[in-house]
Amino acid sequence: QVQLVQSGSELKKPGASVKVSCKASGYMFTAYPMNWVRQAPGQGLEWMGWTNTNTGNPTYAQGFTGRFAFSLDTSVNTAYLQISSLKAEDTAVYYCARDFTGNGAFDIWGQGTVVTVSS
Amino acid sequence: QSALTQPPSASGSPGQSVTISCTGTSSDVGGYNYVSWYQQHPGKAPKLMIYDVTERPSGVPDRFSGSKSGNTASLTVSGLQAEDEADYYCSSYAGNNNFVFGTGTKVTV
Repeated sequence: QVQLVQSGSELKKPGASVKVSCKASGYMFTAYPMNWVRQAPGQGLEWMGWTNTNTGNPTYAQGFTGRFAFSLDTSVNTAYLQISSLKAEDTAVYYCARDFTGNGAFDIWGQGTVVTVSS
Repeated sequence: QSALTQPPSASGSPGQSVTISCTGTSSDVGGYNYVSWYQQHPGKAPKLMIYDVTERPSGVPDRFSGSKSGNTASLTVSGLQAEDEADYYCSSYAGNNNFVFGTGTKVTV
């Protein structure tokens, strides 16, 4: 079936880096944009940006430039989110989500990856 | 890009209706017919309930409906059921290949 499966929880120290994976199955990976969404503990959803899975071109939301990087490996139908120079405020659940219309209708979501940044 | 404004909470009794508003600007909600609504139960990933202002994905009950007037979009849940108790978020296209979520509304049944 159509699904997105994300990598497992991560515990990192401040200053370290983390790479979250999102593996797609059940559909043509390059046909739909892939988005990333952050949810800090007890907070709302925050759109981080998206990747054109056809060209690999990323778009980052304000506040997610510099330390955040989206990438793809189309040979294994997987999208990646890398966060460098981690800070305590990066502690959150990170979701990948497929946009099936290209206009912000996120119909398939990964299960979420918990990233905890603590010394 | 500022988050869209939603009321923090809304409630209704089983069988009643509840409407949640989502207020933006002419640069997002008011400028495009690309408003979506998501339901999120605790500890779970969000679920798409409405897209393109009024469209329901297959499998979503017709008790859920969406509308828009000017810079404000709305989600109405009719015939409230216990399983509708969740957090609800709106989102909108905001131009320049950007999207924005609402602040979220906790619905209590």
